[in-house]
Amino acid sequence: EAGVAQSPRYKIIEKRQSVAFWCNPISGHATLYWYQQILGQGPKLLIQFQNNGVVDDSQLPKDRFSAERLKGVDSTLKIQPAKLEDSAVYLCASSLDLGDTEAFFGQGTRLTVV
Amino acid sequence: DAKTTQPTSMDCAEGRAANLPCNHSTISGNEYVYWYRQIHSQGPQYIIHGLKNNETNEMASLIITEDRKSSTLILPHATLRDTAVYYCIVRVTGANNLFFGTGTRLTVIP
Repeated sequence: EAGVAQSPRYKIIEKRQSVAFWCNPISGHATLYWYQQILGQGPKLLIQFQNNGVVDDSQLPKDRFSAERLKGVDSTLKIQPAKLEDSAVYLCASSLDLGDTEAFFGQGTRLTVV
Repeated sequence: DAKTTQPTSMDCAEGRAANLPCNHSTISGNEYVYWYRQIHSQGPQYIIHGLKNNETNEMASLIITEDRKSSTLILPHATLRDTAVYYCIVRVTGANNLFFGTGTRLTVIP
């Protein structure tokens, strides 16, 4: 079974530039999550989708971050404009359904803002 | 806010059992205890979860105290590949989010 796919693996941008990350969840998984993991910390939820609808985006800095899952399958997370403090690993995860016992994570995209 | 307390780091000799403690003294009756681990440069990986009974699977065993205020994850025969950060999470099944604290960094020593 293919896992959660993310791209790119690494990205370096200058502050105030824009960047986008892509995630393809496990086939058939209705729930998709984006997490931000700053070095030395645990992952923190940014946004959660159920199919193509947003379930929770309370921790998403909406002035600069946006995410979409238009067809209820793959998803894109965008940062515009980036700040130095956005340097982190961005993890995508999926689960079969809301509240499912197991979430499957991708390898993440490591973003460095200089 | 974190609902669990874990030691920052632990060492374990290869081949020995690794016992990772977690304190969750404010756990509610409908909250499960979940364990995930994160190997360097990878995303977190589910290990096991339980409510009040001890649980075992092919990866680990979970021992939950009778009062449910603490638990221990046991890796029966630790290998070098078990070196990772281990996260203990309490969560209501059906709830949306997994709240990760800072976890325990386990180093398995040859």
